[in-house]
Amino acid sequence: KAGVTQTPRYLIKTRGQQVTLSCSPISGHRSVSWYQQTPGQGLQFLFEYFSETQRNKGNFPGRFSGRQFSNSRSEMNVSTLELGDSALYLCASTLAPGAVNEQFFGPGTRLTVL
Amino acid sequence: DAKTTQPNSMESNEEEPVHLPCNHSTISGTDYIHWYRQLPSQGPEYVIHGLTSNVNNRMASLAIAEDRKSSTLILHRATLRDAAVYYCIPAYSGAGSYQLTFGKGTKLSVIP
Repeated sequence: KAGVTQTPRYLIKTRGQQVTLSCSPISGHRSVSWYQQTPGQGLQFLFEYFSETQRNKGNFPGRFSGRQFSNSRSEMNVSTLELGDSALYLCASTLAPGAVNEQFFGPGTRLTVL
Repeated sequence: DAKTTQPNSMESNEEEPVHLPCNHSTISGTDYIHWYRQLPSQGPEYVIHGLTSNVNNRMASLAIAEDRKSSTLILHRATLRDAAVYYCIPAYSGAGSYQLTFGKGTKLSVIP
């Protein structure tokens, strides 16, 4: 079974631009979560989607948004990029929400904002 | 969210057992205890999780204290590939949304 895939793997943008990252969960998994990892803040939860609905959102500004499609694939968008948005963005999929299930992470998208 | 305390770093010799401790004294009665690890330049990888009883899988064993205020991840024979940051995460098991709150974890070094 294929794992979680994320595209693109690397991205370079300039301040003020916007970016869209994509995540394809493991086949059959219906819940997708997004995390941001930086050297200073570590791994931080961004948001979680299940059945095309955002169920939970972390403490991030409104510039960070996401959505989930009917096939469970998910995208996240960051508008008006800032230097501090440079990070590794990780997507994780799980069969369904609930801590009884493990999360499977993708390799991440490395975003650099210049 | 329950707070966790893990050693910043640990060392182990290759092929020896490793016991990684985690204190989660504020855990609620319905939180599962998850362990993930992150190898350099990779996304986190699920290791094991449990609620009350000790758990075993092909990667590791999880020993949960009777009062659930602490747990220990046991790698039975450390290999070089086990060098990673290990995260202990209490995760809410209710019907609501589910997120993992990562702390700083324990950086495990394996010495050949």
